[in-house]
Amino acid sequence: AQSVTQLGSHVSVSEGALVLLRCNYSSSVPPYLFWYVQYPNQGLQLLLKYTTGATLVKGINGFEAEFKKSETSFHLTKPSAHMSDAAEYFCAVSVWNQGGKLIFGQGTELSVKP
Amino acid sequence: DVKVTQSSRYLVKRTGEKVFLECVQDMDHENMFWYRQDPGLGLRLIYFSYDVKMKEKGDIPEGYSVSREKKERFSLILESASTNQTSMYLCASSSGGLTNYGYTFGSGTRLTVV
Repeated sequence: AQSVTQLGSHVSVSEGALVLLRCNYSSSVPPYLFWYVQYPNQGLQLLLKYTTGATLVKGINGFEAEFKKSETSFHLTKPSAHMSDAAEYFCAVSVWNQGGKLIFGQGTELSVKP
Repeated sequence: DVKVTQSSRYLVKRTGEKVFLECVQDMDHENMFWYRQDPGLGLRLIYFSYDVKMKEKGDIPEGYSVSREKKERFSLILESASTNQTSMYLCASSSGGLTNYGYTFGSGTRLTVV
């Protein structure tokens, strides 16, 4: 069975600092991996996804993530945090033979200090 | 712009009421999902559907049922609302087939049961 672990339920960074949100997954078959962002009182919005091919994936708003099979990780990074990045971030995993069902991590709330 | 529309952003219902949460998508997606979101618990899958009139239980189906009479509409039903069903409910849809492009989410319905 697939699972996702996000390390740290709360992360705080200063504006302009590096953002690193950690995600580790468990899957017995090659996974599809996703990062979603949720702003207050809104639904989730897709930031980026890894399905196949290049392991470094670029998404919206300057975010990127790298799929590392040996580490079973898919950490999300952004070189320079902006105040507007404050939100909750969810990592998710699915596999090709489960009809598109996603398994989500518990989420990481990102705070950005001025 | 493609979208998933949830009929209500905020709902307040009384204990014991039968509650209907409606979700409509305009992307001709085969798959539709209902999640609930609670602080510290992330997103938990309640029910999902791969086709019209088909439904599958997710991780926490107790106290809920669903209906999918048309491809574009997926309704979540709380048979007899209880205070522990106070939560944010998120509907999502995705295309079928083997490649998973991820979900499109609605904006969510925040349900309070009093």
